Amino acid sequence: DVKVTQSSRYLVKRTGEKVFLECVQDMDHENMFWYRQDPGLGLRLIYFSYDVKMKEKGDIPEGYSVSREKKERFSLILESASTNQTSMYLCASTKVGRGAGQPQHFGDGTRLSIL
Amino acid sequence: AQSVTQPDIHITVSEGASLELRCNYSYGATPYLFWYVQSPGQGLQLLLKYFSGDTLVQGIKGFEAEFKRSQSSFNLRKPSVHWSDAAEYFCAVDTNQAGTALIFGKGTTLSVSS
Repeated sequence: DVKVTQSSRYLVKRTGEKVFLECVQDMDHENMFWYRQDPGLGLRLIYFSYDVKMKEKGDIPEGYSVSREKKERFSLILESASTNQTSMYLCASTKVGRGAGQPQHFGDGTRLSIL
Repeated sequence: AQSVTQPDIHITVSEGASLELRCNYSYGATPYLFWYVQSPGQGLQLLLKYFSGDTLVQGIKGFEAEFKRSQSSFNLRKPSVHWSDAAEYFCAVDTNQAGTALIFGKGTTLSVSS
């Protein structure tokens, strides 16, 4: 079974701090994703990466950056945390398979609170 | 623009009753379609997926979904709901068939009453 592991289930940080959210997958997947989930808004894509050192902006990249130095690890960075970034953050991965509709596999999420 | 609509924000069903969760999508071609479930405090788990062929697909936990091209719908069903089915359900569309353009609906929260 694919395992996507997010380093923290709960995290509390202060406004202005630099925050790192880590995600590791163990199935050699090429694609990795970061979403944020807010009540009534569903999942919104922040960034995704289709290869090491490659990244693409999603729908709401403002205030975030990402890093993918190794294939299995995809980090989300809040450069200067703000209270409106309080949310649930979900990491996902999928194997490249054009025409095969590969489903995304999700971690358990990190609930981040910015005070 | 592509979009996914789940018209029902919250549904309550009695245990043992049947369930149907609605999903409509907007896309020019036939997309790949998914249903995911999220239990409280957890990530999303894939219930089932549709690519092509038989329009009625079976998934895990006794769920099934039917793709109707004429209605641009992919509704999720279960004949008899269990209390453990209480969760949030998300419909999703993959519009580029490469897993990099998954669009999610806003979710339907299912409550199960005894």
